[in-house]
Amino acid sequence: EAGVAQSPRYKIIEKRQSVAFWCNPISGHATLYWYQQILGQGPKLLIQFQNNGVVDDSQLPKDRFSAERLKGVDSTLKIQPAKLEDSAVYLCASSLGDLFNEQFFGPGTRLTVL
Amino acid sequence: TQLLEQSPQFLSIQEGENLTVYCNSSSVFSSLQWYRQEPGEGPVLLVTVVTGGEVKKLKRLTFQFGDARKDSSLHITAAQPGDTGLYLCAGRNTGGFKTIFGAGTRLFVKA
Repeated sequence: EAGVAQSPRYKIIEKRQSVAFWCNPISGHATLYWYQQILGQGPKLLIQFQNNGVVDDSQLPKDRFSAERLKGVDSTLKIQPAKLEDSAVYLCASSLGDLFNEQFFGPGTRLTVL
Repeated sequence: TQLLEQSPQFLSIQEGENLTVYCNSSSVFSSLQWYRQEPGEGPVLLVTVVTGGEVKKLKRLTFQFGDARKDSSLHITAAQPGDTGLYLCAGRNTGGFKTIFGAGTRLFVKA
């Protein structure tokens, strides 16, 4: 069974530029999560989708971050414009449902903002 | 705001030693998970505990959920270099669907 796929694995941009990350969850998983993990910290949930609907985006900085999961499968997270403090690993995870099923994480995208 | 505090933040031990790491909160969680994360990878689930006082064993790892469901511990017996990694606890808030992660304990086991 294929795991959660993410791309790119690494991205370096300058502040005020835009960047997009892509995630393809495990087939059949209804719930998709985007996390931000700053060095030395645990993952912080940015947004949670149930199929193509948003369940929780309370910690998403909506003035610069956006995410979509149009067909309820893969998802894109965008930052526009990026700030220095956005440097982090962006993790995508998926689970069968939102009833605290096991979350399967992708390898993450390491973003460096200069 | 629910917070999970993990201690210690860092732990460096010799192969064969035992260790315990802790996950504490002032809030009650409906369930709690432990994940292990290696450099360059995403976290991988080790265990889920649901019932207060529950103890689960996974080979050399023993997980305990506090009676009040506010805290948890992970004990590793005879640590091996392969146990090296970041150990994260994640709590599910009561009555909801939100998962909160602690900052993790970074373990290094020297051969």
